[in-house]
Amino acid sequence: QQQVKQSPQSLIVQKGGISIINCAYENTAFDYFPWYQQFPGKGPALLIAIRPDVSEKKEGRFTISFNKSAKQFSLHIMDSQPGDSATYFCASYRGSTLGRLYFGRGTQLTVWP
Amino acid sequence: DAGITQSPRHKVTETGTPVTLRCHQTENHRYMYWYRQDPGHGLRLIHYSYGVKDTDKGEVSDGYSVSRSKTEDFLLTLESATSSQTSVYFCAISESRETQYFGPGTRLLVL
Repeated sequence: QQQVKQSPQSLIVQKGGISIINCAYENTAFDYFPWYQQFPGKGPALLIAIRPDVSEKKEGRFTISFNKSAKQFSLHIMDSQPGDSATYFCASYRGSTLGRLYFGRGTQLTVWP
Repeated sequence: DAGITQSPRHKVTETGTPVTLRCHQTENHRYMYWYRQDPGHGLRLIHYSYGVKDTDKGEVSDGYSVSRSKTEDFLLTLESATSSQTSVYFCAISESRETQYFGPGTRLLVL
């Protein structure tokens, strides 16, 4: 069963607009929530991450909003640029003896100039 | 992709042939992972390693085996390739387990 559900599958935003990608999880044992960015032909790279003890984390134009009670978190890209066009993956981490990441299915973002 | 290389970067093979993909790291990270990426499925974990000769299965391990005889190398083997194993394969490394660093990927086409 899918541990992390991500939406939308694809997103088209005009330059300067706000891009919003949403993720939901079921397992309350998850304790770390990263977002990865992947450009065509490249491997995913860590973009920003949050822990459940805070509701928001901002790094430049990228912000994670976290709602622990709803078991949801989202990525907001402010002032979206054509260079932000990429595939974005949310993930959830469960720390344990053999901790691992569970990835969402990805969102393909296209920012039109 | 610094510190992680994958070889080959592209491969075309025929159904029923064995295939081995190599992941090599220079970061001395303890944990190594193999994922496959397919449209609509995102990244799915095949196998992972938590030390030399210590490996475990991920969610899509059927038809794959792995080996790790040295800290720096993690091999993924398709014993008898099938068309359903056509995919892009990514290796990842981690020291903290929370944060993973991905290699450049290997595109595999099974005809």
